[in-house]
Amino acid sequence: DVKVTQSSRYLVKRTGEKVFLECVQDMDHENMFWYRQDPGLGLRLIYFSYDVKMKEKGDIPEGYSVSREKKERFSLILESASTNQTSMYLCASSLQGGYTFGSGTRLTVV
Amino acid sequence: GQNIDQPTEMTATEGAIVQINCTYQTSGFNGLFWYQQHAGEAPTFLSYNVLDGLEEKGRFSSFLSRSKGYSYLLLKELQMKDSASYLCGAGKSTFGDGTTLTVKP
Repeated sequence: DVKVTQSSRYLVKRTGEKVFLECVQDMDHENMFWYRQDPGLGLRLIYFSYDVKMKEKGDIPEGYSVSREKKERFSLILESASTNQTSMYLCASSLQGGYTFGSGTRLTVV
Repeated sequence: GQNIDQPTEMTATEGAIVQINCTYQTSGFNGLFWYQQHAGEAPTFLSYNVLDGLEEKGRFSSFLSRSKGYSYLLLKELQMKDSASYLCGAGKSTFGDGTTLTVKP
């Protein structure tokens, strides 16, 4: 089974901090994605990557950046955390077909 | 997701059958996904339909009609553990807001 691991389950950060959310998958998948999930807004795509060093903006990239230096690792970076970035962040990977999601990181920015 | 519609909530009885509908509008259709998400957990993949028709997988089945932009997830012999949110997805950035299913004894 594909495993997608997100480094932290819960995080609390202060406004203005730089935040790194790490995601690692172990099945050599080309495609990796970062989403945030908020009540009433569903899953929204922040950034995605179809290959190493490649990144594409999703629907809500403002305030975020990503890094894909290795195939198995896709990092989401909040350059200067703000309270409106408090959310559940989900990483996913896929080859073809359905996505495998990580267990999520619930980030609270205070 | 703004291009996917599914009911917000449904309630059903243990042992019964429930159908969760999903309508979608998306360009470059590459298949329709269904995911299950328990409260506080990540979504888990249930099914993927790329061709019209019914795909059966144990107690769960999923149907797709591409011409109608319509899919449904059918859950049979409902169990209490099936209480969860069910997300319909079409493409990497097109997800429904989820249907919260409550199974009652």
